[in-house]
Amino acid sequence: DGGITQSPKYLFRKEGQNVTLSCEQNLNHDAMYWYRQDPGQGLRLIYYSQIVNDFQKGDIAEGYSVSREKKESFPLTVTSAQKNPTAFYLCASSPGLGTYEQYFGPGTRLTVT
Amino acid sequence: AQTVTQSQPEMSVQEAETVTLSCTYDTSENNYYLFWYKQPPSRQMILVIRQEAYKQQNATENRFSVNFQKAAKSFSLKISDSQLGDTAMYFCAFMGLKLVFGQGTRLTINP
Repeated sequence: DGGITQSPKYLFRKEGQNVTLSCEQNLNHDAMYWYRQDPGQGLRLIYYSQIVNDFQKGDIAEGYSVSREKKESFPLTVTSAQKNPTAFYLCASSPGLGTYEQYFGPGTRLTVT
Repeated sequence: AQTVTQSQPEMSVQEAETVTLSCTYDTSENNYYLFWYKQPPSRQMILVIRQEAYKQQNATENRFSVNFQKAAKSFSLKISDSQLGDTAMYFCAFMGLKLVFGQGTRLTINP
């Protein structure tokens, strides 16, 4: 089946540790995105990538880093510099930037204590 | 910068009723897309309906339809014959170069 996978569904880390969230897609989409969702709020864009080896900061990129070494994969690292890392993280992909609708993965709930 | 506003944090209706969710947006762009996404308790984001700004005809997908008023920058979602499975968070989203989301409306369908 074609789609987007994120693992794990729940992730727990101690404060001060970096953690990497995985996102894989087999839809042959060029563009991929990372969003953060906090309670009572909509999704906010962290990073996005239009093509392999290229990515751009979104609205809340501080404390996060990404890589795009393969078309299918767009991992997100939450660094210790992120002040409030506990949140629900959603990955998405689309055929390209701009007018295309985005397809979302099931999300990862990260809890940092 | 584009902004999307959903003025109804929560709504509740009886099964089989019709409900309308409101959304307004602010942009200086002329060509863009608008979406309604549904997020059920599983938290999976599901596309409900999309509207191209250059199309005057309102989009319809089965029980879901929109009222797109471009001049007023309004994009409401109507759900007809509501079902228990429609219970979810609903997000309005604007697509220019980036996808910008509203804060969501929590919709509950009561039996």
